[in-house]
Amino acid sequence: DIQMTQSPSSVSASVGERVTITCRASHDISSWLAWYQQKPGKAPKLLIYAASSLQSGVPSRFSGSGSGTDFTLTISSLQPEDFATYYCQQANSFPWTFGQGTKVEIK
Amino acid sequence: QVQLQESGPGLVKPSETLSLTCTVSGGSITSAYWSWIRQPPGKGLEWIGYVYYSGSTNYNPSLKSRVTLSVDTSKNQFSLRLSSVTAADTAVYYCARDRLDSASGMDVWGQGTTVTVSS
Repeated sequence: DIQMTQSPSSVSASVGERVTITCRASHDISSWLAWYQQKPGKAPKLLIYAASSLQSGVPSRFSGSGSGTDFTLTISSLQPEDFATYYCQQANSFPWTFGQGTKVEIK
Repeated sequence: QVQLQESGPGLVKPSETLSLTCTVSGGSITSAYWSWIRQPPGKGLEWIGYVYYSGSTNYNPSLKSRVTLSVDTSKNQFSLRLSSVTAADTAVYYCARDRLDSASGMDVWGQGTTVTVSS
């Protein structure tokens, strides 16, 4: 299985700040990476697919980059509704695997 | 737009079989692949497997010996069966539309259903 490692595990930030989350794959996954946002008690929501493609309806303050083994999710200006847990997921080879999550908390 | 709804028992006894159904509304089940994902309390996400409308499947090797995914195109539903459950199978179970053919991620999710394994 491909292991996905996110860092940091949690981050405290203020509204308006820029937040960056990193995801590293144990093997080359090309650009087959997705990012999800999950709020407490809710299902995950797709934000980014194919490493950098913004899902329809997702605000442009979210962006993704990277290829191979190293990827980044950036929130350019954190909004109150962005406080949540974020997961990366590789879609290069089965079984699909997720990172352990990064919790974005209010500073 | 496509919506998904999980249904099934919220409580299952140890050693028994967990059975869940996901109903697809607002679209055809023949339009995509369909995955199941679970999340134990306070933990991360685990992909269980996918089923295609043709009946083809792919399972997570960690669960493969106990999992069966199936589809009923006449009802626009797909189902999960997990046998010989233990407390470790207690989780929120989600169904999702998986755009794996276009590598576009899992873009539609059900709200999730909590399954507790306990006697």
